Amino acid sequence: NAGVTQTPKFQVLKTGQSMTLQCAQDMNHEYMSWYRQDPGMGLRLIHYSVGAGITDQGEVPNGYNVSRSTTEDFPLRLLSAAPSQTSVYFCASSYGVRGSGGYTFGSGTRLTVV
Amino acid sequence: GENVEQHPSTLSVQEGDSAVIKCTYSDSASNYFPWYKQELGKRPQLIIDIRSNVGEKKDQRIAVTLNKTAKHFSLHITETQPEDSAVYFCAPPPTTNFGNEKLTFGTGTRLTIIP
Repeated sequence: NAGVTQTPKFQVLKTGQSMTLQCAQDMNHEYMSWYRQDPGMGLRLIHYSVGAGITDQGEVPNGYNVSRSTTEDFPLRLLSAAPSQTSVYFCASSYGVRGSGGYTFGSGTRLTVV
Repeated sequence: GENVEQHPSTLSVQEGDSAVIKCTYSDSASNYFPWYKQELGKRPQLIIDIRSNVGEKKDQRIAVTLNKTAKHFSLHITETQPEDSAVYFCAPPPTTNFGNEKLTFGTGTRLTIIP
């Protein structure tokens, strides 16, 4: 039982490049979400999913896409990287559809856009 | 999602003293109240939670109390130790209104334990 696995752990991108941050969980959690955390700041919700085939926008969705084709995977795509997207990205999942039971977080992806 | 306010934003306490962090929420139907701890450079982790049918829950040096009437819940840490230094977040989930499944976190409280 690996929990929530995020890859890569570190990434440097050039402005305009695209990439996908991977997130997988093996706990059969329905609810998955992506957050970004800027230095000294809290967690801001980018996108979330309440189950396979269902996604919705969070607080800061611009510049990001997601899909949820399986219960296990919830990748986050950066369409055209910008320096403002430099941040630490956390994927999280929960058994309860709305976080009840607590969230399990991945170890994070530290992204730098130059 | 919920409107969540967390106070204070920073807190420094002497080692061995107690610390209290308060989280105020807006949704009167909320029924689950968790606290997360994030150490420097690490992921947030659930440390304690409480459901609405209980007023207080304790786990060794940490406890959570709930006041549903006033719509706030608090994290209490007693006999603080250096390893308690971290950022603490509250995150009461939204209730079952379709289209309102956004789980937002409080702004966080940076707790520093002074040796």
